[in-house]
Amino acid sequence: AQSVTQPDIHITVSEGASLELRCNYSYGATPYLFWYVQSPGQGLQLLLKYFSGDTLVQGIKGFEAEFKRSQSSFNLRKPSVHWSDAAEYFCAVGSNNNDMRFGAGTRLTVKP
Amino acid sequence: EAGVAQSPRYKIIEKRQSVAFWCNPISGHATLYWYQQILGQGPKLLIQFQNNGVVDDSQLPKDRFSAERLKGVDSTLKIQPAKLEDSAVYLCASSFEVDEQFFGPGTRLTVL
Repeated sequence: AQSVTQPDIHITVSEGASLELRCNYSYGATPYLFWYVQSPGQGLQLLLKYFSGDTLVQGIKGFEAEFKRSQSSFNLRKPSVHWSDAAEYFCAVGSNNNDMRFGAGTRLTVKP
Repeated sequence: EAGVAQSPRYKIIEKRQSVAFWCNPISGHATLYWYQQILGQGPKLLIQFQNNGVVDDSQLPKDRFSAERLKGVDSTLKIQPAKLEDSAVYLCASSFEVDEQFFGPGTRLTVL
């Protein structure tokens, strides 16, 4: 079965600084990869997804992620973080049955 | 387009009691998922339905958890009897074929 590792439990960045959240996956075939964001008390919202094609994926709210097969990674980036980006971020990997496995999440704190 | 609906939003019960959660997926979505999200962790897939058939229930604790999806639309998840470690947010999601999963707001269960 597929699995996901998010090495950073908690990250703090200053508002306006750049952000990179790490995600490593394990899956025997070509994975479907997702990043979701969860604000306190809210459901999960999709930021972006990768199924095939261009390995640099653009998402909502200015986020992007790059699929690197050689490193089994799908890191999330944003050039300039806003205070409203403070939330929990989850990377997920899906199979061709669309069953997803989520990472443990990275909590983002944004300093003024 | 209406999103995934879940009820109740909150539930407090005592251990050994029973509880049921309800989910109404997005219209036209054949696949429905139930996840358990324990505080500080990523969502864990409990069961996946394709129409009214079970695709994956390998992580469902079948001695106490059960789920059904009547007529391939609404679904209920039941816990009987509940244990303290069942305290979590129970998320329902739906998808159209192999694609993005749309999540409901979740039901927060507290077992005392």
